[in-house]
Amino acid sequence: TQLLEQSPQFLSIQEGENLTVYCNSSSVFSSLQWYRQEPGEGPVLLVTVVTGGEVKKLKRLTFQFGDARKDSSLHITAAQPGDTGLYLCAGAEEYGNKLVFGAGTILRVKS
Amino acid sequence: NAGVMQNPRHLVRRRGQEARLRCSPMKGHSHVYWYRQLPEEGLKFMVYLQKENIIDESGMPKERFSAEFPKEGPSILRIQQVVRGDSAAYFCASSVERDYNEQFFGPGTRLTVL
Repeated sequence: TQLLEQSPQFLSIQEGENLTVYCNSSSVFSSLQWYRQEPGEGPVLLVTVVTGGEVKKLKRLTFQFGDARKDSSLHITAAQPGDTGLYLCAGAEEYGNKLVFGAGTILRVKS
Repeated sequence: NAGVMQNPRHLVRRRGQEARLRCSPMKGHSHVYWYRQLPEEGLKFMVYLQKENIIDESGMPKERFSAEFPKEGPSILRIQQVVRGDSAAYFCASSVERDYNEQFFGPGTRLTVL
């Protein structure tokens, strides 16, 4: 069974600070997706990275897929209170169809 | 709204009753996945279906749980004789047939077993 370790579990920062969330595995994934989930709602897809070494930017969010497609990071620049939420990484199995989820990072941005 | 739809959003059942959760995938999506999110735990895969076929049910408990995705109508996740441990949020996701399996999630059904 593939595992995806996500860190940190909790992150509380001041508005304007930068942060990075990491997802690591010993397994290779065909793609990796980042989601954001609000309380009482389903995960909302932020980005999908497919190619090893790929970097995607979404406004103040930068997503990177490791060269070996085993790890990924999410970097937020100048965090805003509106960034507060649960961030989830999910890897698509190389020879399957299901997503393997990390445990999530709860981000709180204080104004 | 062309997103994944799930109903009901909240479901309360007493121990021993049956729970039926429904999922309508996004328009144009023929692949459906069910995941469960237990309190204080991450999302866990349960089952993957295409129209009229179960492709992978490796995450589904062997007893009391079943899933279907008929030719017409929504996908159904059925839990028979519910127990308190079944209380969780159940999410459905859908995708088109692509190499990298980009999945879009519904709002979930929160099941509470009394």
